[in-house]
Amino acid sequence: SQTIHQWPATLVQPVGSPLSLECTVEGTSNPNLYWYRQAAGRGLQLLFYSVGIGQISSEVPQNLSASRPQDRQFILSSKKLLLSDSGFYLCAWSVTGSGNEQFFGPGTRLTVL
Amino acid sequence: GQSLEQPSEVTAVEGAIVQINCTYQTSGFYGLSWYQQHDGGAPTFLSYNALDGLEETGRFSSFLSRSDSYGYLLLQELQMKDSASYFCAVREGGKLIFGQGTELSVKP
Repeated sequence: SQTIHQWPATLVQPVGSPLSLECTVEGTSNPNLYWYRQAAGRGLQLLFYSVGIGQISSEVPQNLSASRPQDRQFILSSKKLLLSDSGFYLCAWSVTGSGNEQFFGPGTRLTVL
Repeated sequence: GQSLEQPSEVTAVEGAIVQINCTYQTSGFYGLSWYQQHDGGAPTFLSYNALDGLEETGRFSSFLSRSDSYGYLLLQELQMKDSASYFCAVREGGKLIFGQGTELSVKP
């Protein structure tokens, strides 16, 4: 069966510090991978998605970047965090060629102080 | 681009039936999906409609009318554990566009 891992679960970082969040998927090959951010009480904002190694689509201009160094690994990064980067970050995967059914990881709750 | 509208809040009592509506505007349509998210948790997939009509999965059903750009999620025999946020979503290429979510509160 497929599983998706995200870490850390919670993170408190000072403004201006770097960020690296990692997501890995097990039990499937060549998945589509997604990074979302969710502000409290709000919907899901798609940040990045990837259909393959090294292929990243950015959805909104922002202080973040993403990389996919391996087929089942997706990394979200920032060189200098802003207060507005606080939120609940969710990684998800779907079967290649599809996207209607996405499977989400447990999320990372990031607080920037 | 795509946009979706759904009510921000719905309240119902245990045992009742509730319907959460979703209207969408899209330049290309690949289906309407529904997700459930409990407070503090990750979204989980509930259902997907590609064609008009009703899809039933246990206590939950989802309906789609492509001509009306409209769908709904129907929850029957409500339980306290159904209190959560519910999101509709449409696919644009390889990605999903989510609505802002409907917070369902189930009262005893």
